[in-house]
Amino acid sequence: DQQVKQNSPSLSVQEGRISILNCDYTNSMFDYFLWYKKYPAEGPTFLISISSIKDKNEDGRFTVFLNKSAKHLSLHIVPSQPGDSAVYFCAAKDDYKLSFGAGTTVTVRA
Amino acid sequence: EAGVTQFPSHSVIEKGQTVTLRCDPISGHDNLYWYRRVMGKEIKFLLHFVKESKQDESGMPNNRFLAERTGGTYSTLKVQPAELEDSGVYFCASSQAGYSPLHFGNGTRLTVT
Repeated sequence: DQQVKQNSPSLSVQEGRISILNCDYTNSMFDYFLWYKKYPAEGPTFLISISSIKDKNEDGRFTVFLNKSAKHLSLHIVPSQPGDSAVYFCAAKDDYKLSFGAGTTVTVRA
Repeated sequence: EAGVTQFPSHSVIEKGQTVTLRCDPISGHDNLYWYRRVMGKEIKFLLHFVKESKQDESGMPNNRFLAERTGGTYSTLKVQPAELEDSGVYFCASSQAGYSPLHFGNGTRLTVT
């Protein structure tokens, strides 16, 4: 059973605008959430994370929001840049194990 | 520091053959993980080593898969005999501590024909 879901397989956004990626989870035992970014033929690279005791974490252009009651998190990228075009994976941690979503492919248009 | 390296980057084998994937974690990282992504779906956990000990292999699909980490350094993942559904990208990741973000290798793309 898939415990982390990214329901939007793709997202197209104009350069300079905001990208919003969404993620839902089902396991209430998850206590740490992460976003990874992946370019073709490369492995996922860590982008940003948030602990379950927080509702927001910001790092430069990237902000992650967590809504525990709704079991939902989102990643905001502002402003979007061409180099942001990649696959973004939402991941949730229970102890040491990461559960990933299927990814959202972001395309930033010039 | 050198990243996580995986070898080979691609492997094409016939059904019934054996393939061994190798992962060299970042030096000093005791935690080593294997994950797999099939057909563009989610990245799924296979197993977790702490040093040379298997902490959790609950994600291993079946007994055709065997992972080892001799001496707590590099790890191998053997598939024997390979089946068509084993095709996918196998990622290795390592971390220094339990709550450190995972560092992933570039993966091995396995195609079973």
